[in-house]
Amino acid sequence: DAKTTQPNSMESNEEEPVHLPCNHSTISGTDYIHWYRQLPSQGPEYVIHGLTSNVNNRMASLAIAEDRKSSTLILHRATLRDAAVYYCILRKARRDNYGQNFVFGPGTRLSVLP
Amino acid sequence: GAVVSQHPSWVICKSGTSVKIECRSLDFQATTMFWYRQFPKQSLMLMATSNEGSKATYEQGVEKDKFLINHASLTLSTLTVTSAHPEDSSFYICSASTGELYNEQFFGPGTRLTVL
Repeated sequence: DAKTTQPNSMESNEEEPVHLPCNHSTISGTDYIHWYRQLPSQGPEYVIHGLTSNVNNRMASLAIAEDRKSSTLILHRATLRDAAVYYCILRKARRDNYGQNFVFGPGTRLSVLP
Repeated sequence: GAVVSQHPSWVICKSGTSVKIECRSLDFQATTMFWYRQFPKQSLMLMATSNEGSKATYEQGVEKDKFLINHASLTLSTLTVTSAHPEDSSFYICSASTGELYNEQFFGPGTRLTVL
């Protein structure tokens, strides 16, 4: 799977938007962009995923650059419960990547200040 | 939907004993399950990939005789840490693939193992 790079840590104030960047310059045309987050002492939690178009769900928005070499996870209003490690992961569609695992980088540790 | 459970959530055992951790997909069938290990302040590291009805595939450096994986059904995989030692103390996390096109995985809540 192609590699992603993320900042080690970020801080945000509560109730403010947070933009978490991810660079994936070697992304291929069949790579989906996944975001997971891990709260302390818990397993990773799915946040959002996309391929080419921007995506929105109840948790966050995903903005994908036109050349797909970078993406940004947007939390519209950070809460204290959003403090976690956020992982940006590239995954091929199942038909091309049957049964393979996710490769987790170090992720971005988000701190939310009250 | 797509919930994965693990049992137990935490366990403390004596050195030399064996510990079994269960991973269940509660509302979907998982042909593939994965086992990860996470040490404090580190990221998740894949230990093995488990396909229902077949032998697990272990990552390099993971002892298959020490970490026994069984995937007997489409909803259950087990990891047994045999002859546990303090260095095996870690956070063990399983995940299961839904089989959807985008290959999403759902993760269990993890099991904290402490070996005394």
